[in-house]
Amino acid sequence: EDQVTQSPEALRLQEGESSSLNCSYTVSGLRGLFWYRQDPGKGPEFLFTLYSAGEEKEKERLKATLTKKESFLHITAPKPEDSATYLCAVRGSYNTDKLIFGTGTRLQVFP
Amino acid sequence: GAGVSQTPSNKVTEKGKYVELRCDPISGHTALYWYRQSLGQGPEFLIYFQGTGAADDSGLPNDRFFAVRPEGSVSTLKIQRTERGDSAVYLCASSSEGQGVITEAFFGQGTRLTVV
Repeated sequence: EDQVTQSPEALRLQEGESSSLNCSYTVSGLRGLFWYRQDPGKGPEFLFTLYSAGEEKEKERLKATLTKKESFLHITAPKPEDSATYLCAVRGSYNTDKLIFGTGTRLQVFP
Repeated sequence: GAGVSQTPSNKVTEKGKYVELRCDPISGHTALYWYRQSLGQGPEFLIYFQGTGAADDSGLPNDRFFAVRPEGSVSTLKIQRTERGDSAVYLCASSSEGQGVITEAFFGQGTRLTVV
């Protein structure tokens, strides 16, 4: 069964303090790993798609990387406005196009 | 429209009542998903449409839940005999298909359902 585990559950950073969020996955055949940002009371906002090991994507202070077992979301010199829950999802099994989500990492960045 | 639109944004209903939640996807998107999210949890898959047909309904928790997409665009999630445990945020997402590959899903703002 396809599964996604995110760690840590919560992360508190000082503004400018770089860190990484982890997404470990188990799928029968990866057909995409997706990162989303979710603000309180809002729907998830798409950030990145990664398809194969070694792939990297960047957007402002965020960089997503992918290996055969996990993905990392690196946050460089975060700002308070980066505070949100970051969700990871995979599209795995070939008989369905559904996305399986992890429980997310709640990031708080303090000035 | 520019994004996925869900109505209503909030719904309070009494236990045992019937509710309908509506999703208007991004124009031209053939795939449509329904998810349910409880506080502090990630979105939980309910059902996925490709065009008018339900391609995967394995996430529907029981036969009180049903969804339709009759013309391949707007979808309605229907919940009969609501229970307090159905209280959650119901999220809808849509995605396009290019060269046989389903792309990333874009989410609406959700409908917060409260069963009292």
